[in-house]
Amino acid sequence: DSGVTQTPKHLITATGQRVTLRCSPRSGDLSVYWYQQSLDQGLQFLIQYYNGEERAKGNILERFSAQQFPDLHSELNLSSLELGDSALYFCASNLGGPGETQYFGPGTRLLVL
Amino acid sequence: DQQVKQNSPSLSVQEGRISILNCDYTNSMFDYFLWYKKYPAEGPTFLISISSIKDKNEDGRFTVFLNKSAKHLSLHIVPSQPGDSAVYFCAARDFSGSARQLTFGSGTQLTVLP
Repeated sequence: DSGVTQTPKHLITATGQRVTLRCSPRSGDLSVYWYQQSLDQGLQFLIQYYNGEERAKGNILERFSAQQFPDLHSELNLSSLELGDSALYFCASNLGGPGETQYFGPGTRLLVL
Repeated sequence: DQQVKQNSPSLSVQEGRISILNCDYTNSMFDYFLWYKKYPAEGPTFLISISSIKDKNEDGRFTVFLNKSAKHLSLHIVPSQPGDSAVYFCAARDFSGSARQLTFGSGTQLTVLP
């Protein structure tokens, strides 16, 4: 158990809909990272938040957005969903400093029909 | 543009033998490399890492080798055990950037046969 929690575990929705994925980091961690893993793909970095502020952006679509709240939990919002958005979405956390290992949650499996 | 490549999607090894997982990278600014292991229905878990100032790091049955001139790293597991069966991702970080984001390879499914 990494200490990172993600809800829900599974999500099935239709094209055009909007969903929110939630992540609670390990106790004491200030940084939250979101990743997408599509079929046969590696983990694609989407976005990082550090202590409530956006720190870095990766390959995140404009239809996707995220935020980190004062209690440090984070939400990833996916809107106007398309079939290709079906994937595993992972959240990871760490203290945020250099050389830090990232600790991953169990992921949310999103299926867009 | 895949900056981190794991060219073998799968690898099967007999229990007790050595497993060698390979990873190549293209970005010469990467200076820290990690291996993660992922079981089904779980998130990736950190396994072992190596800084670019080293060429070898060992932790029990796991050893990571880094060849900077070839931009290649490998993970050796000796002896391999059935519980090692998982997907292994290599990841690299560009320390020159302000963010500590990792670039991951696509993973290698290791199957250790009893």
